[in-house]
Amino acid sequence: AQKITQTQPGMFVQEKEAVTLDCTYDTSDPSYGLFWYKQPSSGEMIFLIYQGSYDQQNATEGRYSLNFQKARKSANLVISASQLGDSAMYFCAMRGRGQGAQKLVFGQGTRLTINP
Amino acid sequence: KAGVTQTPRYLIKTRGQQVTLSCSPISGHRSVSWYQQTPGQGLQFLFEYFSETQRNKGNFPGRFSGRQFSNSRSEMNVSTLELGDSALYLCASSFADRVSYEQYFGPGTRLTVT
Repeated sequence: AQKITQTQPGMFVQEKEAVTLDCTYDTSDPSYGLFWYKQPSSGEMIFLIYQGSYDQQNATEGRYSLNFQKARKSANLVISASQLGDSAMYFCAMRGRGQGAQKLVFGQGTRLTINP
Repeated sequence: KAGVTQTPRYLIKTRGQQVTLSCSPISGHRSVSWYQQTPGQGLQFLFEYFSETQRNKGNFPGRFSGRQFSNSRSEMNVSTLELGDSALYLCASSFADRVSYEQYFGPGTRLTVT
């Protein structure tokens, strides 16, 4: 079974600072994908970044980067130069192989608040 | 390219009633998944459809059902509503069921059962 753990229920960060959101995972699949989503108060889940288990380099998308440490089974999201609009819930999720590829398994999420 | 759309956005129903939610995926996406989000349980997978076939189902009672049409649009139905069914229901579409393909989510339908 796949499991995602996000240990930070909430984080408060000053605007323009970098922030790291923690995510650890557990799976027996040799091939899997890790995703981060942002959910503003409106409710829509917004895809941010993807990391494949066989990717040699850490994924980056603009101000978002994923610190992937396979041996530690961690996939932390780093947001550089945070902005007020980054305030939202952030979810780490995993997708496996076979039937596991047909669904995302989510962590409990981290509520990020950016202070001016 | 239009995103995933869900209708209605908000619903208020009474216990014992049934409800149907609709989801239109991104054009070209054939996989549609449904998730339930509640403060207590978080995001939980309901089921996934591909080419009109349900391929995977989460751990939900039989009151929760769905279907997919030939144009990939999907509906989910909840019968005999209970107070605990109050949740945000999210639909997601994906090009294929490969680990590298992200799921794109719609805005959700917020269901309140009174």
